Formats: sequence, structure tokens, C-alpha cells
Amino acid sequence: DAKTTQPPSMDCAEGRAANLPCNHSTISGNEYVYWYRQIHSQGPQYIIHGLKNNETNEMASLTITEDRKSSTLILPHATLRDTAVYYCIVRVATFGNQFYFGTGTSLTVIP
Amino acid sequence: SAVISQKPSRDICQRGTSLTIQCQVDSQVTMMFWYRQQPGQSLTLIATANQGSEATYESGFVIDKFPISRPNLTFSTLTVSNMSPEDSSIYLCSVEDDWDAPGTGELFFGEGSRLTVL
Repeated sequence: DAKTTQPPSMDCAEGRAANLPCNHSTISGNEYVYWYRQIHSQGPQYIIHGLKNNETNEMASLTITEDRKSSTLILPHATLRDTAVYYCIVRVATFGNQFYFGTGTSLTVIP
Repeated sequence: SAVISQKPSRDICQRGTSLTIQCQVDSQVTMMFWYRQQPGQSLTLIATANQGSEATYESGFVIDKFPISRPNLTFSTLTVSNMSPEDSSIYLCSVEDDWDAPGTGELFFGEGSRLTVL
């Protein structure tokens, strides 16, 4: 079952940073935070994941609070192609464990 | 990264009929997952399909309604049986990459099969 809370929608100006919050106050010590996004009519796409340290890759950055009860996905320079639904998922990183998607945040990047 | 092909990409079906959706992966994978996405909704996990064993179904989903086959490490099918308009959804196949990123939790998805039941 989904264990995360996200705002249903957000807007962001093109070229600005998009900061998408996620609350996971009941996260367990061995659960990772994963972010996926789904662009309209496509299958979800992996973005990034982390346990407790901040993570960065070519797509985004992930910051996790020290108590691990919340996190923020950062798209540093949002483009129109970043318009999508973003899902935050917590999961024990054991191979084969299921992913349960919550309601996500619909991000609209505005020109 | 795994590449997943689903067939059909879309179909329109009559109430009471059944439809089988195929999922083909370009590499061997242990775990395959089937999701449903109803219009305007998030993804709901239907079942986990392991090669060589029966699928594991989530609460609210039963084998009689959604039988799954997993004959080998690159292929799976999901059948939607005795369809009703409430089954109109996108059905998505996904896999966890065994080889390139084992245990990292990167799921790969097919493009989905859009099913409309009249």
C-alpha cells in the first residue's frame, strides 16, 4: 500500500527549478525513496532513488530530510517536456519487492 | 536497460468476452509485474509473475478474472476475463532489471495496452 503523501498538482515556470515534495512519515529504516514519472500516455519512467543521503543524477536531485520523513525531488531547470505526473514511492530495496504507486503530483511546466 | 513490448497496444472489446495481453522483454528477467491504470487514476498492482510458479495476486484481484502465464524468463500474458465496462483501463507490464541494475529498484515499463470495453 502507498505510504506517501504528495500534493495533487503543481506549476513551475520553464527554466526554473521544480521542487516536488513528498511526505513519508512512516518510512522504515530499510525503505528507500523512489521517484518515477509518467508522461501522458506513456509507461512510468524511473528518475532516482535514495536511502538517506542526497542523490543526484543526470535527470534530477533528491534530498531526504535527516529524519527521513520527507523528501524533495528537484528538477533544476524544468522544461516543457518535464510536464508529467511524478510518483514518490517507498520500498524495501530487496529484489522482487513490489512497487505501490500513490496518487502522485501532476506537474505542469508553464512557458 | 530492458525493452518491453506489449500487444495489443489498444483494443475495443465487447462485454463478456476475454482478451489476452502479451508482454515480451528483450532480456531475461526474474520478476514481472502487471499493473492497471484506470482513466485519470494512478497505477494499481494486479499481480507479480514469477517464472515457474503461480502468480501472486494483490488484494482485490483474483486468478479467475486475471489469469497470468509466465512460460519463460522473457514473456508473460495477462488475460482479462469476462470483461465489463469497469475493466476499461490501461494495462501495463513492468520488469525489474536483473542484470544491469539488480536490487536498485529500477522498473521498466511497457507502453501499455489500452482496453475499452463496450
